[in-house]
Amino acid sequence: DTAVSQTPKYLVTQMGNDKSIKCEQNLGHDTMYWYKQDSKKFLKIMFSYNNKELIINETVPNRFSPKSPDKAHLNLHINSLELGDSAVYFCASSQSNRRAFFGQGTRLTVV
Amino acid sequence: AQSVTQLDSQVPVFEEAPVELRCNYSSSVSVYLFWYVQYPNQGLQLLLKYLSGSTLVKGINGFEAEFNKSQTSFHLRKPSVHISDTAEYFCAVSVPPAGFQKLVFGTGTRLLVSP
Repeated sequence: DTAVSQTPKYLVTQMGNDKSIKCEQNLGHDTMYWYKQDSKKFLKIMFSYNNKELIINETVPNRFSPKSPDKAHLNLHINSLELGDSAVYFCASSQSNRRAFFGQGTRLTVV
Repeated sequence: AQSVTQLDSQVPVFEEAPVELRCNYSSSVSVYLFWYVQYPNQGLQLLLKYLSGSTLVKGINGFEAEFNKSQTSFHLRKPSVHISDTAEYFCAVSVPPAGFQKLVFGTGTRLLVSP
């Protein structure tokens, strides 16, 4: 069973569209994250949720809105997509500040 | 703020040869250090971590890393690589007590192992 799963794995969309990426973890962890890996492979944290509450928001544009319906899910919604949003987005989870487990990533391409 | 530098974007090596992947970090406070591996089309997996104690840390798949505070380095080593070690390797840092909650990653080093 996949510990941290993201859907979709690939997403190609036009500029200006709104899209969502879903993430689910079955590890019983209390903390979930979204990371962005850009074209230069630079991996940076975007958001962190602990028990459904936002604890880290790293100067991400308002067009990005994470939503955590429960502790096992952290979805990422992106409005008005721009070319610069093209990247690989990784979801991760951990039990508090212990080891983080990562999903396989979602490759978003904005055309 | 913390930062991580991985000077080598790509390291080609022959099978069974030793390898060292370099990682340097910058921080004004004590840090935790990590190495992650990303196999093709997969997510990141933790190889090893340094939180405190012995500066030589052993991880999975025969990898080890040594924390050198004076040189602010955390280089990853393996005495004999396999074809299956071909992957992207990321060094990361965080500040206690955040642990894994706020990782700052380097840009990665692609290890290419050939026969």
